[in-house]
Amino acid sequence: QVTLRESGPALVKPTQTLTLTCTFSGFSLSTSGMCVSWIRQPPGKALEWLALIDWDDDKYYSTSLKTRLTISKDTSKNQVVLTMTNMDPVDTATYYCARIRQSGEFDYWGQGTLVTVSS
Amino acid sequence: QSALTQPASVSGSPGQSITISCTGTSSDVGGYNYVSWYQQHPGKAPKLMIYEVSNRPSGVSNRFSGSKSGNTASLTISGLQAEDEADYYCSSYTSSSSLYVFGTGTKVTVL
Repeated sequence: QVTLRESGPALVKPTQTLTLTCTFSGFSLSTSGMCVSWIRQPPGKALEWLALIDWDDDKYYSTSLKTRLTISKDTSKNQVVLTMTNMDPVDTATYYCARIRQSGEFDYWGQGTLVTVSS
Repeated sequence: QSALTQPASVSGSPGQSITISCTGTSSDVGGYNYVSWYQQHPGKAPKLMIYEVSNRPSGVSNRFSGSKSGNTASLTISGLQAEDEADYYCSSYTSSSSLYVFGTGTKVTVL
């Protein structure tokens, strides 16, 4: 049974760095073809793809946020970590992690974690 | 990378069929068969409904079907039910530097 769970601060101040952790079970990120991605959704708005890390430790980022994002994995802990620097109120959103299969779909999602950026 | 374009809202009566479009470019929807669709109820995480344009995951009702023509993908819901009322998003792999792109989202209302 595949599960993913996001964790991190619910509130961050402007200019701070956000660190989110995705803890997963039911699959291994060392298995060929496996990937984990981060997606966010501002309140009342659409989904936005942020970043992806694959089994081979290749990393991909949204062009518009590339300079602010870092994704990493700890295979032994079954965790993927996303950091986003210089947080701004417009970054207020629910942040999701999801597994991606080689056929390109996000087949399992975490429940999401709401991050509010406010002073 | 611009979001894929979806209609803001689509509605239908119970039992009817509706279709949601998802328009991109030759760099995403038109160039690859890695188009997927997600259903999202309020306050919930998205749920995969269709992958690789027209494949249904195990457990998803066969009332949901997908197709693609050129740069536009479509999701059809037949035999509309009250439980289908939700937001729907398409997604595609893209050859741009951003690996994936989502659609603008469509709110489906069952009248």
